[in-house]
Amino acid sequence: ILNVEQSPQSLHVQEGDSTNFTCSFPSSNFYALHWYRWETAKSPEALFVMTLNGDEKKKGRISATLNTKEGYSYLYIKGSQPEDSATYLCAYLRVDSNYQLIWGAGTKLIIKP
Amino acid sequence: ETGVTQTPRHLVMGMTNKKSLKCEQHLGHNAMYWYKQSAKKPLELMFVYNFKEQTENNSVPSRFSPECPNSSHLFLHLHTLQPEDSALYLCASSQTIRHGPWEETQYFGPGTRLLVL
Repeated sequence: ILNVEQSPQSLHVQEGDSTNFTCSFPSSNFYALHWYRWETAKSPEALFVMTLNGDEKKKGRISATLNTKEGYSYLYIKGSQPEDSATYLCAYLRVDSNYQLIWGAGTKLIIKP
Repeated sequence: ETGVTQTPRHLVMGMTNKKSLKCEQHLGHNAMYWYKQSAKKPLELMFVYNFKEQTENNSVPSRFSPECPNSSHLFLHLHTLQPEDSALYLCASSQTIRHGPWEETQYFGPGTRLLVL
């Protein structure tokens, strides 16, 4: 993988259900992985910064895991609420890329009431 | 509120016009960024400034001209744009760059939605 890939591209989830989606990135020269949430008509907002293989981060009902050896991160949302509707972006930071974030296209999450 | 503001929020311009986008951050950060976001595509980094010095120009056409007069303000000057330049332009700031992954966390403005006719 040369770029950052996120799947699925979009996801409809019933309110109250839990869900997860994936960010895949190159496993070489890894430095950090960022997750952002972007609600419609608002600014992207940082959720997590992860650096170590096996890292797990949690913020309320949202959590993320990191596997740097195989190049993927999962974002989990437990008990989805309408306010979780947003596009979730991940961005990968390589050691040798002048420290520029390389972004995925995002997973658009829609919570159905 | 992220502490990063952008004006205008919406802009319609003709291909012969000259306009400027403005970004201001109130976070005391030293690095500022311009991104282009086209529909269903990843964010494309255009320019990076760190301590007012431009550190990156990702092969952006010269019809886009950035200006960073101080660490709090960033402008994007636009002239003779093409219809394919229509997109959302996002400004972001971070504490600094090339220092560590947390310092790279970026704080975004709401963006300027640009339409070139």
